[in-house]
Amino acid sequence: DGGITQSPKYLFRKEGQNVTLSCEQNLNHDAMYWYRQDPGQGLRLIYYSQIVNDFQKGDIAEGYSVSREKKESFPLTVTSAQKNPTAFYLCASSKRTGGRSTEAFFGQGTRLTVV
Amino acid sequence: KNQVEQSPQSLIILEGKNCTLQCNYTVSPFSNLRWYKQDTGRGPVSLTIMTFSENTKSNGRYTATLDADTKQSSLHITASQLSDSASYICVVVYGQNFVFGPGTRLSVLP
Repeated sequence: DGGITQSPKYLFRKEGQNVTLSCEQNLNHDAMYWYRQDPGQGLRLIYYSQIVNDFQKGDIAEGYSVSREKKESFPLTVTSAQKNPTAFYLCASSKRTGGRSTEAFFGQGTRLTVV
Repeated sequence: KNQVEQSPQSLIILEGKNCTLQCNYTVSPFSNLRWYKQDTGRGPVSLTIMTFSENTKSNGRYTATLDADTKQSSLHITASQLSDSASYICVVVYGQNFVFGPGTRLSVLP
């Protein structure tokens, strides 16, 4: 099936640990995004990548890191520097950024909880 | 500041009834406006995409309108079903950026 897959669905992390969230797409999309969703707030952009080996910080990049070594994969690492990491994380991909015909497809999300 | 506001924050209706969700934005320059449906614990799914020149667009029982002059959009749901219970998110795109509204939480009761 074509689509965008996030794993795991639920993740628990101890304080002070780094953790990596996986995002894979087989849609041949160039652009990939990571968002954070908190209750009562709109999705906030963490990082995005328009092409392999290139990525840009979003609005709330502090405490996060990403890599884009392959077109299909855009993993997000939540580092110990992120002071409030408990949230729902969404990955998205699109053919190209922003244009009228660009459709953004979202993964099913990863719920990260710090214990 | 580019912002997207949605109202109401939450809404409860009975199955079979119609409802309208509102979206106001201050995003500029405007590229297009989208409505997404997000089921609890899932990723958002696109309902409609509208450009500056489009006033209305339908997708089954969902009809979105856009007034680019007043920077307002609405999503009308007709003959609601239990499966319509979800959050509805308005997203405004400018350039390469997506600005998300906080969403309206709709609950459809039998």
